[in-house]
Amino acid sequence: QQQVKQSPQSLIVQKGGISIINCAYENTAFDYFPWYQQFPGKGPALLIAIRPDVSEKKEGRFTISFNKSAKQFSLHIMDSQPGDSATYFCAALSNYQLIWGAGTKLIIKP
Amino acid sequence: DAGVIQSPRHEVTEMGQEVTLRCKPISGHNSLFWYRQTMMRGLELLIYFNNNVPIDDSGMPEDRFSAKMPNASFSTLKIQPSEPRDSAVYFCASSVTASLSYEQYFGPGTRLTVT
Repeated sequence: QQQVKQSPQSLIVQKGGISIINCAYENTAFDYFPWYQQFPGKGPALLIAIRPDVSEKKEGRFTISFNKSAKQFSLHIMDSQPGDSATYFCAALSNYQLIWGAGTKLIIKP
Repeated sequence: DAGVIQSPRHEVTEMGQEVTLRCKPISGHNSLFWYRQTMMRGLELLIYFNNNVPIDDSGMPEDRFSAKMPNASFSTLKIQPSEPRDSAVYFCASSVTASLSYEQYFGPGTRLTVT
C-alpha cells in the first residue's frame, strides 16, 4: 500500500514532442505528489508538485494531471527539449516520508 | 546559500574498512534525510532526523550502518565494516518541516565504491 508505481522505465521522445510519465498509488492518505528531476551526477531536484484537491497544475512546459478517483497522476512535458533529458521520479508524501517511484529515464532526441 | 554540502564526492575503499560520509544541511532546515541510490533498488530512505533527533531509522540496512546528527549543521553516515554490496550513491537531503511545499533539497551525493 505504500508503493508508488511509475511507468515507463525509459522513454525516448523526439524534440518538440510530448513526454508523458505515469504514476499510480494505493494509499489514499497520501496528500502531496511531487515530481523530481535528476541529471547525471546530481541529486534529484523538485520540478513540480500537486495536492489532491486540484486536478491539474501547470508550470511552463510541465504539467501534472491528477486523477484522485483512479489514484493516478502523470507528468506531461510539452515541446520536449534535449535539455529535458534526465531521470524523472514521482513521489507521494506520507507523513514526513516521500515514497518514491522507480524513476523514468527520458531521452529527447534532437 | 551553498545548498546541501556532502563530502567526499567519491570514496573508494576496500571491503572491511570503515567509511564515513558527511553532510551539511541548508542553514535553517530542521529535517535531514539520508538516501541510498542504486540501479537495482532506486532511491531508498535510510534514516530521517528532525531537529537533530533520529525519527525513523527503519531503512538502515543493518547494524553496520549508523548515523548521527550532533548539531543542526552536521550529520554523518558511517558504514563499518563496509562490503561490496554497499556500493551506491548516498544522498543527503534537507527540508523545513513546517514548509507547505515539503520540498527536499538534495546534495550532490557521495559515490561509494567498495572493492
